[in-house]
Amino acid sequence: NAGVTQTPKFQVLKTGQSMTLQCAQDMNHNSMYWYRQDPGMGLRLIYYSASEGTTDKGEVPNGYNVSRLNKREFSLRLESAAPSQTSVYFCASSEDHLNYGYTFGSGTRLTVV
Amino acid sequence: KQEVTQIPAALSVPEGENLVLNCSFTDSAIYNLQWFRQDPGKGLTSLLLIQSSQREQTSGRLNASLDKSSGRSTLYIAASQPGDSATYLCASSGGYQKVTFGTGTKLQVIP
Repeated sequence: NAGVTQTPKFQVLKTGQSMTLQCAQDMNHNSMYWYRQDPGMGLRLIYYSASEGTTDKGEVPNGYNVSRLNKREFSLRLESAAPSQTSVYFCASSEDHLNYGYTFGSGTRLTVV
Repeated sequence: KQEVTQIPAALSVPEGENLVLNCSFTDSAIYNLQWFRQDPGKGLTSLLLIQSSQREQTSGRLNASLDKSSGRSTLYIAASQPGDSATYLCASSGGYQKVTFGTGTKLQVIP
């Protein structure tokens, strides 16, 4: 099925470890996004990529880096994980979010101990 | 800064009832408003998107309305079913960095 695929689905890290969350979409969308979802706080934008080759910070970028590898793939890296980064991470894509809105992946549940 | 509020945080209704979920926003300068459904442990599924120039959108038993002047959107669900049980989120878009999500209304439809 067409859509947004995220890996892994679950991950437990120790404080200070690093990891990369992968995201790929097969809808030929131009824009891709990384959000985190925390209880009582809604979804908050970490980074986005309006088009291949560009990335920009969102509301909560500290502690994260991203790479727009090609049009399909947008990865999120935690260089030195902290307990405050325990969250559910969602990747989303859109052809043109002003007119067509977002398509979301199923999420990665990350726990940092 | 845009603030999006969804009240109530939780709602329980008997099967078959028609219901309305509310979404309010503080800045009316939006491009669109989108409604999503989220099942436990799952991602967000887009339900309806209303452009700023539109008043409403319909899909099956769902109808979403938008009143920019009052900063409100509603999602109407007709003849609710147990399968409608989920958390419903709204999100307003004012640009790439200006998409603001509400915290959602958790709906339970009781058989």
